[in-house]
Amino acid sequence: QQPVQSPQAVILREGEDAVINCSSSKALYSVHWYRQKHGEAPVFLMILLKGGEQKGHEKISASFNEKKQQSSLYLTASQLSYSGTYFCGTSPVSNSGYALNFGKGTSLLVTP
Amino acid sequence: DAGITQSPRHKVTETGTPVTLRCHQTENHRYMYWYRQDPGHGLRLIHYSYGVKDTDKGEVSDGYSVSRSKTEDFLLTLESATSSQTSVYFCAISESRLDLNSYNEQFFGPGTRLTVL
Repeated sequence: QQPVQSPQAVILREGEDAVINCSSSKALYSVHWYRQKHGEAPVFLMILLKGGEQKGHEKISASFNEKKQQSSLYLTASQLSYSGTYFCGTSPVSNSGYALNFGKGTSLLVTP
Repeated sequence: DAGITQSPRHKVTETGTPVTLRCHQTENHRYMYWYRQDPGHGLRLIHYSYGVKDTDKGEVSDGYSVSRSKTEDFLLTLESATSSQTSVYFCAISESRLDLNSYNEQFFGPGTRLTVL
């Protein structure tokens, strides 16, 4: 089941904050976040696991609400380099390597 | 950067012809994946592999087959290409970990842009 991301697109001025949400109708074990710049491959940002563990980017934070099967990515004091499309990928099981279901993406544009 | 290459990077072919895309990794990762990316659809899983000769279908596997005879190579074949298979194809890899609380981040290759006329 493909997770649902919101908003679909957002435009920010440099220095502003943004929140990107990802929700699933199924119970989740982990949520992954990736960023893709135009014409490039997606790049790993962060993983959040059921139980509170997380691993990821120094300047980007995220939360995972296990009860609601929702995750939010927080981009604070945005920089021009934050522009791109953000994808969440979800997994219902703890098995390492289990294939992810990705959302359709959120397009973020940071302007000067 | 993880050592993942895809070939070819660009291909134009005609409807009805077979096409094979190659993903090659130098990381010795156990898991490999093929995704397609289309506007408005995000990344959709085609097939994945959890070991040599071990593969499974993803959500959009119709019209595609895969093979993995070596750890480092994962091939995606379009048996008879159709215009609906025009897309950007990404290969990804992830590690195998023994503990349950594992971080299985995926590393993506540069992509192959395929156009079926």
